Formats: sequence, C-alpha cells, structure tokens
Amino acid sequence: AQSVAQPEDQVNVAEGNPLTVKCTYSVSGNPYLFWYVQYPNRGLQFLLKYITGDNLVKGSYGFEAEFNKSQTSFHLKKPSALVSDSALYFCAVRGSLGSGYSTLTFGKGTMLLVSP
Amino acid sequence: DAGVTQSPTHLIKTRGQQVTLRCSPKSGHDTVSWYQQALGQGPQFIFQYYEEEERQRGNFPDRFSGHQFPNYSSELNVNALLLGDSALYLCASSPGVGLREQYFGPGTRLTVT
Repeated sequence: AQSVAQPEDQVNVAEGNPLTVKCTYSVSGNPYLFWYVQYPNRGLQFLLKYITGDNLVKGSYGFEAEFNKSQTSFHLKKPSALVSDSALYFCAVRGSLGSGYSTLTFGKGTMLLVSP
Repeated sequence: DAGVTQSPTHLIKTRGQQVTLRCSPKSGHDTVSWYQQALGQGPQFIFQYYEEEERQRGNFPDRFSGHQFPNYSSELNVNALLLGDSALYLCASSPGVGLREQYFGPGTRLTVT
C-alpha cells in the first residue's frame, strides 16, 4: 500500500522569503507524485506533478517541487512567498499500481501561512 | 469551459437517512472519482467510475454506492447515515484513466445530526 507523510501541520513564512513544504512517500514501484492546493471553501487545485524525467518540476503560480528518490521525498518550494499563497497544501501519490486506473492517496495536508 | 461542478453545496441530514450527491465532470473528461475529506484530514478515496462501471474502490463500506451516467456525470449515494459521515465530499474528473491529473470540484459539505 502507498502512503504520504506531511510532517508539518503548519509552515509560517514571511512574504518575500523562500518557502518549503515537505512531503515524503512510500510506494511500490515508480512513484507518481502530485501537489494540490486548497483555499477555504473550495476544492483542490492542481499545482504540479512528477511522472518521470527531471527531478525539478515546475508548476502553477511559481511553485516547483524537487523529487529525491533516495530520500523518498517530494518537497514543494517557491523562491519568494506571497500572502496570497496562504492555503492548505496536499501532497499525493498515485495508487493501485498495475491496475491501469489512477487514484490518489493524499497526505493530511500542511497549512501554509505567509505573513506580510 | 465549465470545470467540475457539484450539487448541492451544503446538506444537513439526520442519522439513518439516505443522501445523494451529484457531480458533473469537466468537459472532455470521462472518469469520475469521489473522495471524502473529514475535518483536518486529507481526502480519502471512495471509488472511481469509468465507462459507467465502478473500477476501483477504497476502504469504504457498502453503504457508499455510486453511479455514472452515459453523459459521464455521477452520483454518490450514502445509506443509513452515521455522524461520522459528516465531511466534505469531493468529486474529481480526469480525461481517461492513467497518469492524468484529476480536476476537483468545490465539494459538497454534508452534516449529519
């Protein structure tokens, strides 16, 4: 079975500073990893994904994520945080390897708070 | 181009009752997945529909059932509601199956009293 861990319930950062939201995963076979963001009273919005290729993945709104196979990590990063980035961030891994039908296993989420 | 839509937005039910939630996928998408997001938790996979059949199912009891229609829209039914069923129910759609990102709707907030 696959799983995702987001070790921080909350990350606080000042506007303009770089931010990192951590994610580690456990999965059999090749990992397929995703980051989603959730704003209050709204559904999840896709940010980026890693399927194969470059370990540094670029996504929406200036976010990027670094895949590290040896550390089984997929940390979300942004060089300069904005107050509007404050939201709940979810890391997810594709499940049911071999079935051909993709589902997602999510971490419990990390709240990012960017202060002015 | 409309994204994923869900109805109703909010719902209050009593223990033991039954509820039906509805989802229309993003245009061009034929696969629908349902997730339950309890307060303070990440979404948990309930089941996925493709070609009007349930293709995969998460660890949820048979009280949770679903349906997909020929136009790819979907329903989630929950029977014999429990207090623990209170959650945000999210529908996600994708173009076919495989390694495609899923697009989520805004969710239906179900409260069971």
